Amino acid sequence: QSALTQPASVSGSPGQSITISCTGTSGDLVNYNYVSWYQQHPGKAPKLMIYDVTSRPSGVSNRFSGSTSGNTASLTISGLQAEDEADYYCHSSTRGSTLYVFGTGTTVIVL
Amino acid sequence: EVQLVESGGGLVQPGGSLRLSCSASGFTFNTYPMHWVRQASGKGLEYVAGITSDGGDTHYTDSVKGRFTIFRDNSKNTLYLQMSSLRPEDTSFYYCVKDMWERRELGTPYWWGQGTLVTVSS
Repeated sequence: QSALTQPASVSGSPGQSITISCTGTSGDLVNYNYVSWYQQHPGKAPKLMIYDVTSRPSGVSNRFSGSTSGNTASLTISGLQAEDEADYYCHSSTRGSTLYVFGTGTTVIVL
Repeated sequence: EVQLVESGGGLVQPGGSLRLSCSASGFTFNTYPMHWVRQASGKGLEYVAGITSDGGDTHYTDSVKGRFTIFRDNSKNTLYLQMSSLRPEDTSFYYCVKDMWERRELGTPYWWGQGTLVTVSS
């Protein structure tokens, strides 16, 4: 069972901004300085979009940005485009027995 | 260009074994940690295992500890996942993933292969 909870779906119209949350539990062992985010289109392998909370790999649009506050990490997509419709997963390391954990996943729907 | 090509997936009976391979090219394999991540059909991502660049340290998710072994052959640029005592709940696509950082220790899973399907069923 994932230690990171995401909303099942988030929707928005083209051009709008949306935010996806990734929430742990108070006192959990997640390392919130290490959150990354992945985008996955249907039938495709995931793609890294954000690492170390706020950094973007080369080639990723600056419309994607990340942040954290307490035990919640967030991914914001600005200027929403049709191609952003995909599943998004947060990911982090933990100080528990399992080194890494993924969030439950969020489907972004572009209206 | 980085390429990761997984192979070895297939249908196996519960309790059986299978070895997955991941052939890597386009980067200096022996300087990057590597990971295996799986995804059941229609479900989310689950971290399975990771290995340091020199193969000296490994990490596993709790559900596969004692049943799966990750290892690598740096002379062949190949990553492996030996799976035994397989269960129906191990049925998933298994992805080979290159780490982001050129160093010994595990870091951020970065570049993903296309995956290989493992089906555990009688």
